[in-house]
Amino acid sequence: EDQVTQSPEALRLQEGESSSLNCSYTVSGLRGLFWYRQDPGKGPEFLFTLYSAGEEKEKERLKATLTKKESFLHITAPKPEDSATYLCAVRPRQGAQKLVFGQGTRLTINP
Amino acid sequence: GAGVSQSPSNKVTEKGKDVELRCDPISGHTALYWYRQSLGQGLEFLIYFQGNSAPDKSGLPSDRFSAERTGGSVSTLTIQRTQQEDSAVYLCASSRQFTGELFFGEGSRLTVL
Repeated sequence: EDQVTQSPEALRLQEGESSSLNCSYTVSGLRGLFWYRQDPGKGPEFLFTLYSAGEEKEKERLKATLTKKESFLHITAPKPEDSATYLCAVRPRQGAQKLVFGQGTRLTINP
Repeated sequence: GAGVSQSPSNKVTEKGKDVELRCDPISGHTALYWYRQSLGQGLEFLIYFQGNSAPDKSGLPSDRFSAERTGGSVSTLTIQRTQQEDSAVYLCASSRQFTGELFFGEGSRLTVL
């Protein structure tokens, strides 16, 4: 069964304190791994797509990386506005037109 | 340009009643998805529409759930004989075609008493 596990469930950091969020997956043929950001009361907002091991994508203070079994979302010198829930999702196999989501990591950045 | 619009934003109903949730996707987007998000949980896939193809209904949890998409645009998710476990936020998303970059609405929060 296709499965996505994110850790930690929640993370509190001080402003400027860098860290990483983890997304582990077991899928029948990965066709893409996706990171989304979700603010309270809002729908998820797309951040990155990664397709192959070794690939990296960056956006402002965020960098996503991918290995054969997991992905990391690195947050460098975060600011309070980076506080949100970060969701990881995978597209399991060719022809599957749906994403399988993890339960998310709730990130809080204290000023 | 308008994003994905969902209505109602909040719905409180009594157990056993039927509810309809509406989604208006981004103009030009042929793919439309419904997901469900329970408190503190990730997103659970419900159903997927792509153009005129038969929808992928593999995520619907029971036959009380149904969805339709009219004219390749607006979609309605119907839950019959609601149960307390149906309480969740129902999210709709659209995309031009399947790229994994989904554009989500703000969701409809359903509370079944």
